[in-house]
Amino acid sequence: SQQGEEDPQALSIQEGENATMNCSYKTSINNLQWYRQNSGRGLVHLILIRSNEREKHSGRLRVTLDTSKKSSSLLITASRAADTASYFCATALNAGNMLTFGGGTRLMVKP
Amino acid sequence: DGGITQSPKYLFRKEGQNVTLSCEQNLNHDAMYWYRQDPGQGLRLIYYSQIVNDFQKGDIAEGYSVSREKKESFPLTVTSAQKNPTAFYLCASRTGRERLWSNQPQHFGDGTRLSIL
Repeated sequence: SQQGEEDPQALSIQEGENATMNCSYKTSINNLQWYRQNSGRGLVHLILIRSNEREKHSGRLRVTLDTSKKSSSLLITASRAADTASYFCATALNAGNMLTFGGGTRLMVKP
Repeated sequence: DGGITQSPKYLFRKEGQNVTLSCEQNLNHDAMYWYRQDPGQGLRLIYYSQIVNDFQKGDIAEGYSVSREKKESFPLTVTSAQKNPTAFYLCASRTGRERLWSNQPQHFGDGTRLSIL
């Protein structure tokens, strides 16, 4: 099974609301990354959080990491229709290792 | 602008045919990756290469082959042995320079959608 599992699988909200997506993983990690994928396109890196960090911000994005629970969350504040996409978490077991991706959360933001 | 270019965008394969997907990057990255994505699913690693003339199998390498003769290029061949090739294929790269290995994101191309005729 995949290392990372996102929850929920799908999320539909109104523009202006906040969107929260969660990711759980099984083994110890070096870092956890979040990516966005627009329909039919490649993935775009959003944010990386190291295992010794607990929270990170980038614009309207806020990522938390709880290594004791092996979980992470991605919060998008004041969502916009342009945020509609699939969001994936990916874990790296060590600094130079490959990424293992979860199944993604499909976010729809209605105008 | 630096980036990763995948071609073609759409590809159709006939029964028993091998097809090759192109991936070129001008980011001067050492490491390159091929992923397969099935509808509504996450990405699964097919092959990766950390340096020219070297590559390693990922989780689902059966029925695929790669080469890495140049730093910029990492083509993927889907062979006739891959019985279920219909999927979206993504190529990615990452810097692999010493001391920059750790905590670096991957950069992705826009994918090739492969279907069976």
